[in-house]
Parts: sequence; C-alpha cells; structure tokens
Amino acid sequence: AQSVTQLDSHVSVSEGTPVLLRCNYSSSYSPSLFWYVQHPNKGLQLLLKYTSAATLVKGINGFEAEFKKSETSFHLTKPSAHMSDAAEYFCVVSDPNNDMRFGAGTRLTVKP
Amino acid sequence: KAGVTQTPRYLIKTRGQQVTLSCSPISGHRSVSWYQQTPGQGLQFLFEYFSETQRNKGNFPGRFSGRQFSNSRSEMNVSTLELGDSALYLCATRDGSSLNYGYTFGSGTRLTVV
Repeated sequence: AQSVTQLDSHVSVSEGTPVLLRCNYSSSYSPSLFWYVQHPNKGLQLLLKYTSAATLVKGINGFEAEFKKSETSFHLTKPSAHMSDAAEYFCVVSDPNNDMRFGAGTRLTVKP
Repeated sequence: KAGVTQTPRYLIKTRGQQVTLSCSPISGHRSVSWYQQTPGQGLQFLFEYFSETQRNKGNFPGRFSGRQFSNSRSEMNVSTLELGDSALYLCATRDGSSLNYGYTFGSGTRLTVV
C-alpha cells in the first residue's frame, strides 16, 4: 500500500520569499512522485516528477523538489515566491502498477 | 498538441436526474481516469479506462459509471443525482503503456445538483 501526506494544509508567504511545501510518502515499492498545481476552477497541471533518476528534480515556474529516501520526503521548494504562485498544490505517489495516490493538498497564499 | 478537453465546463442538474460528462484525451493517450473533487473529500478516484476496458475502480456507488470508445474518448455517467454529487469532475489522461508517466488533466466539469 502507498500513501502520501502533505504536512501543511495552508502555507502563507510574502512575495519574494522562499516557498517550502512539505510532502512525506509511504510506499512498498520504489515510488514515482509528482507535484501538481491547481489554480481556482482549473484542472491540475504537472509541475515536476521524480522517476528514479536524479534526486533533485527541476520543474516549471522555478519550482524544484528533492527526493530523500531516508526521510521518505519529496518537499517542493521555490527560492522566491510570485503572486501568480498562489494556488493549491498536490503531492502524488505512484506505484509500478500506476496506482496514483493524491495528498490532501496545500493551499499556498502569497502576500504582497 | 491539443490538451485534454472536457465538456461541458459547467452543468446544473436537479436531484434525481442523470448526467453524462465527456473527456477527449490528448492524441496518443489511451488511459483515461476520472476524479471527483470536493472541498470536504479532496480528490477521489472514480475509475480508469484503458483500451476501452475499465482497469481500476474507486469506491463509488454503482450510480457512477463510465465507458471508453475506440478513439479513447471517455464518458462518465451519474444516474439518480444527489445533492452530494455536486463537485468538480476531472478527467486525467496518460500514455498508459508507459510506467511512471504523470497525468495530464482537463479543466474539469463543474456539476451543481440542486
């Protein structure tokens, strides 16, 4: 069985400051991990994915995430938040059978 | 490449009615999955279709059904609508023959049951 836990339901940062969205996973397999972003009334957009290649993954819009097996974590970071980053972010774990489990989501607020 | 197309974008139905939602995947994507998203329950998996066959199914009542056509387009149907079925229904597609590929999502259909 596999699962993913997003440790914060809501994160608030000021524009220009770093972003950290935390995700821990549990998996019996070597997992694939994804981060998605959802803007209001829109579908989910893939930010980045980890599939057992480099542990530091770079995504779109300046986001990146680091896979840490020893900590079972896949935290999402960005050096400097922009107003347009305000959205809901989902961490996802997938097993070799393509069974994908979504986290509950983290709402990111960016203050001017 | 055109994205995932879901129609309609918005829908208002009355309790007891039935509804059909449509999803056209990205060209070449043979796997289509459906999710229900609500503020209280988050994203919940409904079912996945691959090559016209249901491959996985979530924990939803039989009122929720789906199908996939030979061109990979998929429809989901909800019969005897209840107020609790009000949600954003998201379609997600991928090249099902490759492992570890993420989904591409459509913009969703916002269903309101009154």
